[in-house]
Amino acid sequence: GDSVTQMEGPVTLSEEAFLTINCTYTATGYPSLFWYVQYPGEGLQLLLKATKADDKGSNKGFEATYRKETTSFHLEKGSVQVSDSAVYFCALGNQAGTALIFGKGTTLSVSS
Amino acid sequence: DSGVTQTPKHLITATGQRVTLRCSPRSGDLSVYWYQQSLDQGLQFLIQYYNGEERAKGNILERFSAQQFPDLHSELNLSSLELGDSALYFCASSVRTSGSEQFFGPGTRLTVL
Repeated sequence: GDSVTQMEGPVTLSEEAFLTINCTYTATGYPSLFWYVQYPGEGLQLLLKATKADDKGSNKGFEATYRKETTSFHLEKGSVQVSDSAVYFCALGNQAGTALIFGKGTTLSVSS
Repeated sequence: DSGVTQTPKHLITATGQRVTLRCSPRSGDLSVYWYQQSLDQGLQFLIQYYNGEERAKGNILERFSAQQFPDLHSELNLSSLELGDSALYFCASSVRTSGSEQFFGPGTRLTVL
């Protein structure tokens, strides 16, 4: 079945460092791909999405490109801030386009 | 604020009991989804309703059931609770039944003692 694998955390960075969180997926067809972020004590917020191959999703300085050839959707940010500390989830829309299938989440901790 | 509301925020109960979690979707959204987030299983899709009808089922136990009412709010009923049911339960909503963005509520934290 469809699945998402993302890098284990925690990821600990200093402010202004470059961030990469790896995400790969297994799916039939061409699913939509998402990154969600969960701040402490809050629900999930959609960070960015891509719906077809080579699409680049971007928001708040974060970017991810839908790579069909490597079945990947890695999240990047050029310069992280303390306020980016959160748990990041990679997800794909299932074949029916209903449920979201999530990775295990990666905890990011940014220190000043 | 996503516009999705969930009540209660926290729920503490005992094994064997039954609880009801409530979700109000964003204005205009017809689809409601329920997810369970636990330390060992991660985030798992439970069930989806669209305009009052069940549309998709995931890893939902038989002890759990849900419904969506004419005003589009949804309730998730959990019965014969076990310690392992302790988790964060999220509701999400979207405009259409498939292919559209899902907006998540703040969740209900259930603790079964």
